[in-house]
Amino acid sequence: DVKVTQSSRYLVKRTGEKVFLECVQDMDHENMFWYRQDPGLGLRLIYFSYDVKMKEKGDIPEGYSVSREKKERFSLILESASTNQTSMYLCASSHNPGLAGDTQYFGPGTRLTVL
Amino acid sequence: DQQVKQNSPSLSVQEGRISILNCDYTNSMFDYFLWYKKYPAEGPTFLISISSIKDKNEDGRFTVFLNKSAKHLSLHIVPSQPGDSAVYFCAASGSGGSNYKLTFGKGTLLTVNP
Repeated sequence: DVKVTQSSRYLVKRTGEKVFLECVQDMDHENMFWYRQDPGLGLRLIYFSYDVKMKEKGDIPEGYSVSREKKERFSLILESASTNQTSMYLCASSHNPGLAGDTQYFGPGTRLTVL
Repeated sequence: DQQVKQNSPSLSVQEGRISILNCDYTNSMFDYFLWYKKYPAEGPTFLISISSIKDKNEDGRFTVFLNKSAKHLSLHIVPSQPGDSAVYFCAASGSGGSNYKLTFGKGTLLTVNP
């Protein structure tokens, strides 16, 4: 079974703090993703990485950065947290078999509250 | 510009009956479609997928139908069980350079009543 783990299930931070969210996968997947989920908005892609040290912006990258120094680990960084970044953050990974289609496997999520 | 649409925010069904969740898409480059199930405070769980070369895929109580001409897919759950109560997300990806990106719908909350 694919296992994707996230460093915290619940996190409370103050406005202006630097926040690190960590994600680790154990299936040697090439691709890793960060989403946020908000009520009525579904899942929105923040950033993704298709290889170590490689990254691409998703649909809502503003206010976020990412780091992928090792294949199994993908970090999401909020440089200066703001209240509108209060959300559920979801990490996912996938193998990327090319044109055959790809299935992403998700971690349990981190509920971040910014006060 | 919403490329994957789930027009029903919620659906309520009696236990033992069929649940039908619908999804429409606008991007003709999408060629792989997935359904995910999500319980509160948990990450989405992959349920079933379908490639555009097929029009039906079945896995136990779950069947996904794809109508490419209408750009429409549906998830059928038969029979529905109370444990199926969750938010269901439809997702799609396309061939080409970014085929590993998924575009999600906003989700449909399914409630199965005992």
